[in-house]
Amino acid sequence: GAVVSQHPSWVICKSGTSVKIECRSLDFQATTMFWYRQFPKQSLMLMATSNEGSKATYEQGVEKDKFLINHASLTLSTLTVTSAHPEDSSFYICSARGGSGSSYNEQFFGPGTRLTVL
Amino acid sequence: AQKITQTQPGMFVQEKEAVTLDCTYDTSDPSYGLFWYKQPSSGEMIFLIYQGSYDQQNATEGRYSLNFQKARKSANLVISASQLGDSAMYFCAMREGYTGGGNKLTFGTGTQLKVEL
Repeated sequence: GAVVSQHPSWVICKSGTSVKIECRSLDFQATTMFWYRQFPKQSLMLMATSNEGSKATYEQGVEKDKFLINHASLTLSTLTVTSAHPEDSSFYICSARGGSGSSYNEQFFGPGTRLTVL
Repeated sequence: AQKITQTQPGMFVQEKEAVTLDCTYDTSDPSYGLFWYKQPSSGEMIFLIYQGSYDQQNATEGRYSLNFQKARKSANLVISASQLGDSAMYFCAMREGYTGGGNKLTFGTGTQLKVEL
């Protein structure tokens, strides 16, 4: 299957700082990328859908100004957690879906980024 | 109402035995897809199997098969000949529609499977 990478795999930061997480599709062009958040022992919750070259679509209850998403190219989407607080500590996972030529039936997931805010 | 329901928070199975993980779904969209993912303790989401709403036959992928009962809106995952490496969290997910934003996935709460010797 296609490969999606995330960087960093884990990050610890101080409260009030901003953290950027990168999601890259390594061997295909991802027209759409999805960002999920997963708290311990819980399910994945979709935060936003990002399409290359356009603004992200956020799910209800997700603060746009706090979770900035940029999908500037067909292989890279970034999630920036601004002014992070301890309650933002979570596992953030991205997934990517390709355009023409790739399977419509599958999203390819990154390995996740574990964020801890002190 | 929950769109995806997994009623088994935890399951135990003996090695080499088969196990069924339950999943029911709720949608009024005639076009949808159902997925199962495995998440080991390392965190990555591993795609296991897919079933489309119009597929006539149950999906199979190696030791994984999906028992699709459309009228009952259930999509149970069957793992045959369980292995120790199958111990993980399993998530059922649904995609409603085929185009644009309809491609987002809604996940169930997961079932933690433990395979024992």
